[in-house]
Formats: sequence, structure tokens, C-alpha cells
Amino acid sequence: AQKITQTQPGMFVQEKEAVTLDCTYDTSDQSYGLFWYKQPSSGEMIFLIYQGSYDEQNATEGRYSLNFQKARKSANLVISASQLGDSAMYFCAMRGGAGNMLTFGGGTRLMVKP
Amino acid sequence: DAGVIQSPRHEVTEMGQEVTLRCKPISGHNSLFWYRQTMMRGLELLIYFNNNVPIDDSGMPEDRFSAKMPNASFSTLKIQPSEPRDSAVYFCASKELPGYNEQFFGPGTRLTVL
Repeated sequence: AQKITQTQPGMFVQEKEAVTLDCTYDTSDQSYGLFWYKQPSSGEMIFLIYQGSYDEQNATEGRYSLNFQKARKSANLVISASQLGDSAMYFCAMRGGAGNMLTFGGGTRLMVKP
Repeated sequence: DAGVIQSPRHEVTEMGQEVTLRCKPISGHNSLFWYRQTMMRGLELLIYFNNNVPIDDSGMPEDRFSAKMPNASFSTLKIQPSEPRDSAVYFCASKELPGYNEQFFGPGTRLTVL
């Protein structure tokens, strides 16, 4: 069974500062993928970034980067230069093995202060 | 390009009534997923299809729920009879096969059962 844990139910960050959202996972699969999604107050789920378990480099997409530490089974999302529009729920998710299914964590609500 | 389309966006119904949620995946995507999101349980995968065939329906809560995918461009999730505890946001998502790429989510249907 796979499990995703996001231990921070809510976080505040000052505008223009960087913030790290934590995600730890548990799986027995050797090959897996890790995803981060953003859910603003409007409700849609927006894909942000993906990291494969065999990728040697940490994934980056613009202001988003994924701090992947395989031995510690963590896949933290780093948002640089926070903007007010970054205020949202953030979900970490994992796809195990060759399957298609995603298991989601409970989410972290990020609030960016002006 | 049109994203995943869901209808209706909002549904209010009375307990005992039949509810049908609809989804049109992104053209060319051959894997489709139905999720349910509640405050208590977070995001749960209900069922997913590959090439119109149901692959895993272990997340379907009970026999009152059923899902079909009669063709590559249409899927339905039906609840009959509906109960107040079915109130949630229901998301449809799609992705391409094969590949370890991301799922694209629709805007969701907010269901309220009175």
C-alpha cells in the first residue's frame, strides 16, 4: 500500500519569500512518480511539477522545485519568491509502479501575506 | 485546446434521487479517473478506466455508485439512490497512455444532497 503524508495543515509565508511544503511517502515499489498539484479557492486542480523515482536531478518548473530525497522518502515542494496568487491548497501525490492511480496526501493550505 | 469538461458544475438534489455526473476527457487521452473530495476524507479515487475499460473500482463506496465509459469521449458517474453523505466535489481527470505523465483534472461537480 502507498501512503502520502503532508504534516503541515496550514502555513503562512511573506510575499516574495521562499517556502517549503513537506511531503513524505511510503511505498514498496522501486519505480514510482511524485506529483504536486495546486488547488486555489476556485476549486480546480492544477498540475505543478513531477519527479520520477529514477530521476537523478531534482525537478524544476519556473518558481517551483521539488527537493527529492529518496533515502528519506521525502519530496518537498519549494516555491521561490512567493506571490499572493500562490495562496491555495497544495497536494502531494504518488503514482506507484507502472500503474496509473494517484494516491493523494491530505494537503497543505498556504497563505501568502502581503 | 479544451480541457476536461464536467457537467453539471453544481447539483443540488434530494435524498433518494438519482444523480448523474458527466465527463468528457481531453481528446486523445485514453485513461480516465473519477475522484471524490470531501473535508473529512480528502481526495479519493473512486474508479479509473483505460481505453474505456474499468481497471480498478475498489474505491467505489458501495453499490449505489456506478460508472460507465461507453466511448473514448464520454463517461458518467451515477449515484442511485443519493444520500446526504454523498455530498462532495466530484472530479474527473484524464491522461495519456502509456507514460508516467500527469493527470489533467476537470473543474469538478459540487454535489449537495439534502
